Amino acid sequence: DGGITQSPKYLFRKEGQNVTLSCEQNLNHDAMYWYRQDPGQGLRLIYYSQIVNDFQKGDIAEGYSVSREKKESFPLTVTSAQKNPTAFYLCASSTSAKRQGSEQFFGPGTRLTVL
Amino acid sequence: SQQGEEDPQALSIQEGENATMNCSYKTSINNLQWYRQNSGRGLVHLILIRSNEREKHSGRLRVTLDTSKKSSSLLITASRAADTASYFCATDARQNMLTFGGGTRLMVKP
Repeated sequence: DGGITQSPKYLFRKEGQNVTLSCEQNLNHDAMYWYRQDPGQGLRLIYYSQIVNDFQKGDIAEGYSVSREKKESFPLTVTSAQKNPTAFYLCASSTSAKRQGSEQFFGPGTRLTVL
Repeated sequence: SQQGEEDPQALSIQEGENATMNCSYKTSINNLQWYRQNSGRGLVHLILIRSNEREKHSGRLRVTLDTSKKSSSLLITASRAADTASYFCATDARQNMLTFGGGTRLMVKP
């Protein structure tokens, strides 16, 4: 099956801990994205990557970090600097961030709760 | 702040009725996309309309775009209970960096 997988589905974090959310795609897409969704809200862009070994901050990057060492993987680390990390995190990919009109394909999401 | 804003925030209709959702945005765009999200799941792409297009159809979906008014609408005809979901518009104004609205929560009662 082709698609995007995210793990874990649910994640609990104690205050002060860093946690890493996994995102893997086998669609051979160049671009990958991380979004945050709060209850009843739309999606906000955290980070995006147009190509391996390159990534850019989105609208709400503070308290988050990413890496893109492989084309198929784009892990997101939620650091202790993120003051309100409880949210639903969605990863997405598209064929190319430079080609206009690309739809984004989404993973099933990770729900992070800070205890 | 979000580029797109959907209206209404929530919509409840009977099966078989049509559902219309509206999206307004603020800046010039390359294209506008509509996505669907079932509760607690990822988003699924429904349709994309480019800035030089005025109307587009896909099955029971009809999307219109009015760039002079900076607005779009999504019409779902002959709705089904399975259409119950949240629907988001997303504007592409920054080279495939999508900006999402707050969504419309649609409930279709059987």
